[in-house]
Amino acid sequence: AQKITQTQPGMFVQEKEAVTLDCTYDTSDPSYGLFWYKQPSSGEMIFLIYQGSYDQQNATEGRYSLNFQKARKSANLVISASQLGDSAMYFCAMGDRGSTLGRLYFGRGTQLTVWP
Amino acid sequence: SAVISQKPSRDICQRGTSLTIQCQVDSQVTMMFWYRQQPGQSLTLIATANQGSEATYESGFVIDKFPISRPNLTFSTLTVSNMSPEDSSIYLCSVEKRGATGELFFGEGSRLTVL
Repeated sequence: AQKITQTQPGMFVQEKEAVTLDCTYDTSDPSYGLFWYKQPSSGEMIFLIYQGSYDQQNATEGRYSLNFQKARKSANLVISASQLGDSAMYFCAMGDRGSTLGRLYFGRGTQLTVWP
Repeated sequence: SAVISQKPSRDICQRGTSLTIQCQVDSQVTMMFWYRQQPGQSLTLIATANQGSEATYESGFVIDKFPISRPNLTFSTLTVSNMSPEDSSIYLCSVEKRGATGELFFGEGSRLTVL
């Protein structure tokens, strides 16, 4: 069964606008971690943001915030004030063994295109 | 934090040959992970490499095809054996060491093209 679902194969946003990338997950483990990574065409995985299952507040890192809705098992990434350099593939991932073991399950990704 | 270096960054290989990818970490880590990303696809975990024991492979991956070594706490290799065009992928290594903001670190990836 798929543990991470990203339903948006592609998203388009105008520069300086905000965009939300969707992610839902499935786990029965009460302790887990959710990650968002950005992958430009070069192939490297760039970490954006992390949310632990026991974290009370939504994670924020600069222009990135994670809209964590535990009951709905969703962990959407919000990018504010989009920039042209944000154009890339975005992956949502989960580690469901307390996120300490590093074994991550990845979604299929969302290709974000920012246009001027 | 952890700095992870992978070699080669990219290579073009002939069908039927084997290639070994190296992953070097700048600090000691217990577990290292190898992922595969086929063209246009997501990342899939191949195996977990522990120092001093056999690697643990995920469903669909076998040791004969993807032998892994882990000679010490800072280094691991993944070999892609008897390559076919279907093995053309980006291979990434990762470690379980977490950064201050929860980050799990990845190497830069090794992009293999099999002709």
